[in-house]
Amino acid sequence: KAGVTQTPRYLIKTRGQQVTLSCSPISGHRSVSWYQQTPGQGLQFLFEYFSETQRNKGNFPGRFSGRQFSNSRSEMNVSTLELGDSALYLCASSLGLDNEQFFGPGTRLTVL
Amino acid sequence: AQSVTQLDSQVPVFEEAPVELRCNYSSSVSVYLFWYVQYPNQGLQLLLKYLSGSTLVKGINGFEAEFNKSQTSFHLRKPSVHISDTAEYFCAVSVSMNYGGSQGNLIFGKGTKLSVKP
Repeated sequence: KAGVTQTPRYLIKTRGQQVTLSCSPISGHRSVSWYQQTPGQGLQFLFEYFSETQRNKGNFPGRFSGRQFSNSRSEMNVSTLELGDSALYLCASSLGLDNEQFFGPGTRLTVL
Repeated sequence: AQSVTQLDSQVPVFEEAPVELRCNYSSSVSVYLFWYVQYPNQGLQLLLKYLSGSTLVKGINGFEAEFNKSQTSFHLRKPSVHISDTAEYFCAVSVSMNYGGSQGNLIFGKGTKLSVKP
């Protein structure tokens, strides 16, 4: 069974640009969560989606947005990139809200 | 609000020695507790979790943790470590489903880097 897939794996952008990251969950999983990992702030929760609905959102500015499609695939978008957005963005999927999460390998975003 | 404190940022230990990675949490409601491991340039892998029931939880790779409600702790232990256990370990909490939470909204500690030396 394929694991959680995140594309692209690496991305370099410049300040002011926007970026879209993609996450394909494990087949049959309906819940997707996103996390940001930086050396300074550690792992921080961004969003949680279940059946195309955003269920929870972390404490991030409105420049960070996401969505989930009917096939459970999810995207997150960051607009007007700042240097501080450089991070590893991790996606995790689970069967449902009360099930174990499985993490993808992450997308490493570098903002220059 | 929930928070997690991992008391040690780095733990060096010799191979075959026991290890304990400490984790304390704070929450006003019932929580789920987790330990994850992250190897370099990889995502997170679940080691073990406490949802309810027995306070001693056994996980993969010989790790175990004990939930102590009175001390609000969830320390991770392994009786004998291997070189391959060198990684970063994260403790995490989430609000239980009984309080409208889920396993998909995790609050993480800052991580503990375990370094196993030969």
